[in-house]
Amino acid sequence: GQSLEQPSEVTAVEGAIVQINCTYQTSGFYGLSWYQQHDGGAPTFLSYNALDGLEETGRFSSFLSRSDSYGYLLLQELQMKDSASYFCAVRDGTGGFKTIFGAGTRLFVKA
Amino acid sequence: DADVTQTPRNRITKTGKRIMLECSQTKGHDRMYWYRQDPGLGLRLIYYSFDVKDINKGEISDGYSVSRQAQAKFSLSLESAIPNQTALYFCATSDPTSGNNEQFFGPGTRLTVL
Repeated sequence: GQSLEQPSEVTAVEGAIVQINCTYQTSGFYGLSWYQQHDGGAPTFLSYNALDGLEETGRFSSFLSRSDSYGYLLLQELQMKDSASYFCAVRDGTGGFKTIFGAGTRLFVKA
Repeated sequence: DADVTQTPRNRITKTGKRIMLECSQTKGHDRMYWYRQDPGLGLRLIYYSFDVKDINKGEISDGYSVSRQAQAKFSLSLESAIPNQTALYFCATSDPTSGNNEQFFGPGTRLTVL
């Protein structure tokens, strides 16, 4: 089967850097995605890593190590509006290319 | 603006009732998905469809059924609702040619089963 693990909560201060880790187990790994969800809102796509390495998009970066079944989302220059839940998700090719989501990490940004 | 819409946005129903949640999209995407979200459990895949003639079960399909009426429409039904189906339901779409597996989510339907 598939499983993903990420911390349930992270707290950081405005202007700081925070890293949210994700480890996964899946037999048919194709890629790792990250989504952001504000309270009451829909998840929105942040990034996708299919190959090892770091992908940077503005203040957000995402990293993948396929050999370690591990990835992380790095948020720099934290702003209050970054307070949200962040989900990692694996694209799994077993039995069709479905996406399996982790339980999410709640990020609290303090002033 | 191309979008994913869900109706209704909120629904309260009673145990045993049949409920249909509807999803429409104007993105022209072939792939559509239904997820449910419970606190602390993230998003769990109920059903997904890669085109009009393709329907697949996800992680938690028991108690649910779907219909893909057209490329733009994907409906989720609860044949006989039960209280533990109280949750937030999201529809999503994706373009298989995008290369980044990005899914576009609708605003969600909050369902309460009494």
